[in-house]
Amino acid sequence: GNSVTQMEGPVTLSEEAFLTINCTYTATGYPSLFWYVQYPGEGLQLLLKATKADDKGSNKGFEATYRKETTSFHLEKGSVQVSDSAVYFCALTGRGGGSNYKLTFGKGTLLTVNP
Amino acid sequence: SAVISQKPSRDICQRGTSLTIQCQVDSQVTMMFWYRQQPGQSLTLIATANQGSEATYESGFVIDKFPISRPNLTFSTLTVSNMSPEDSSIYLCSVEVSRSYEQYFGPGTRLTVT
Repeated sequence: GNSVTQMEGPVTLSEEAFLTINCTYTATGYPSLFWYVQYPGEGLQLLLKATKADDKGSNKGFEATYRKETTSFHLEKGSVQVSDSAVYFCALTGRGGGSNYKLTFGKGTLLTVNP
Repeated sequence: SAVISQKPSRDICQRGTSLTIQCQVDSQVTMMFWYRQQPGQSLTLIATANQGSEATYESGFVIDKFPISRPNLTFSTLTVSNMSPEDSSIYLCSVEVSRSYEQYFGPGTRLTVT
């Protein structure tokens, strides 16, 4: 079945530091890949997505590139802010068969950014 | 995108009772989903709710424990039945918009069972 593995947290950075959160996946077919963010006390928000190999998703200064050869979708940001403190989830949607619309999530990575 | 609301936002319930969670969307959607997020954990899909048909449950979840209704294209309910402390979780509904494979989530219902 489909699975997502993302780096264990927590991750603690200083403001303006560079961020990388690693995500790798296992899936059949050609999944769409997502990063969701959950701010404290809130629901999940879609941060960015990529639907095919070599696509780059970007939003709010965050980027991730769909790498089929390494089955990865690492999240990066060049300069984090305190307001980026949240839990980040990597996810994929299976295509085809009975798993067309099922989102499979990684375990989440807690990011804390200190001023 | 879509704007999704859930009621209640939180509740504290006694074991053995049931709670019905409502999910309302501001536009018509075909696919609605219910997830559980246990404390400090990731999200697990409970079931997919399509209007006009029975909900499809994931392995480990059964209709008797989590009955779902989907009376129209903007509304769904999830009932957590005969609750135990192990049911203490955040329950989230989501919708898929325009066959884009993107899902948008409600704010969640934080349930504590004592």
